[in-house]
Amino acid sequence: AQSVTQLGSHVSVSEGALVLLRCNYSSSVPPYLFWYVQYPNQGLQLLLKYTSAATLVKGINGFEAEFKKSETSFHLTKPSAHMSDAAEYFCAVRANEKLTFGTGTRLTIIP
Amino acid sequence: GAGVSQSPRYKVTKRGQDVTLRCDPISSHATLYWYQQALGQGPEFLTYFNYEAQPDKSGLPSDRFSAERPEGSISTLTIQRTEQRDSAMYRCASSPVRGSNTGELFFGEGSRLTVL
Repeated sequence: AQSVTQLGSHVSVSEGALVLLRCNYSSSVPPYLFWYVQYPNQGLQLLLKYTSAATLVKGINGFEAEFKKSETSFHLTKPSAHMSDAAEYFCAVRANEKLTFGTGTRLTIIP
Repeated sequence: GAGVSQSPRYKVTKRGQDVTLRCDPISSHATLYWYQQALGQGPEFLTYFNYEAQPDKSGLPSDRFSAERPEGSISTLTIQRTEQRDSAMYRCASSPVRGSNTGELFFGEGSRLTVL
């Protein structure tokens, strides 16, 4: 069965600093991987997705993620954090028509 | 509709009561999903529909939970004899692509259920 593990339930970075949110996957077949963001009182919104077309995936709001098969990782990065990036981020893997989510990482931006 | 709409947004009920949550997906989306998200956790799959068919309901926690999508559009999730452990955010999502693992899911804002 496919699954994802997010390391770090809380991450704090200073405004302007690098954002790195970690996600490792477990899959017996080539995975389809997603990052979603959840702002307070809103639904989950897709940031980006990996579907095997390219290992470096660019998403909205300056985020990107790199698929590394050798490390079974799909970490999310952003070069320079902005206050508006404060939210909860979920990594997910899709198989058999359903999306399986990680437990989430809450990102706090320090002014 | 323009987006996935869920109602009610908030529901407080007493233990033992039945609750029905509603989801109106994006028009023409084939696939509809229900997820349960406990506080501090990621969303957990409950069930999904392809139009009116329900191929997978393996995530429903017990037979107190049931879901319908009789005309392949609006869906309801019903919890009978609610228990305090049912308190959670219930999220609905829809996807335009049937039978694909690469398609995006579009989520509603959720229905927060509190069982006293």
